[in-house]
Amino acid sequence: GENVEQHPSTLSVQEGDSAVIKCTYSDSASNYFPWYKQELGKRPQLIIDIRSNVGEKKDQRIAVTLNKTAKHFSLHITETQPEDSAVYFCAASIYGSSNTGKLIFGQGTTLQVKP
Amino acid sequence: EAGVAQSPRYKIIEKRQSVAFWCNPISGHATLYWYQQILGQGPKLLIQFQNNGVVDDSQLPKDRFSAERLKGVDSTLKIQPAKLEDSAVYLCASSPRQGFGYTFGSGTRLTVV
Repeated sequence: GENVEQHPSTLSVQEGDSAVIKCTYSDSASNYFPWYKQELGKRPQLIIDIRSNVGEKKDQRIAVTLNKTAKHFSLHITETQPEDSAVYFCAASIYGSSNTGKLIFGQGTTLQVKP
Repeated sequence: EAGVAQSPRYKIIEKRQSVAFWCNPISGHATLYWYQQILGQGPKLLIQFQNNGVVDDSQLPKDRFSAERLKGVDSTLKIQPAKLEDSAVYLCASSPRQGFGYTFGSGTRLTVV
């Protein structure tokens, strides 16, 4: 079945630096790739997503890139701030009329931004 | 827009006891999901409903877990009997259509002792 691998498991950066989290997926039919941020004890919240017909998407300090050939996608956070500290999850799914669209999550990356 | 409501927020039970969780999705969302999130791991899908029908329950331990979605709105997830390894956060999510536009609830943290 579909598998999503996420690296690194922990990431520590200085405030203002950039952070990059990488994921690879196994099912080449996957066509939707969201990223979630989860603060301690809270619900996962969607921060950005990308569909397979797009190679890159940006929203202020956050960007996601997708390489369909290599089956990997990455989250880039620039000018990190202490409030970016959280656990980040990547996910992959196949959505469309004949698919369930279930999300397969990576293992998570704990990002720590040091002031 | 109201979010996905879940209750209870926390539950502590002894092994072999039973427990039930409740979820009320966003109004109009046809698809409802139950995920299990074990500490330090990503969420894992247990069961997916489309309206009141089951779309995917391949990862649901059916010998002890059951779920239903009455009238295509609220849903309950039950564990009977609970095991220590069931300790996790149980997240409910809904979306207007399959696989897109997920919104998660705050989850129920279950501790089995």
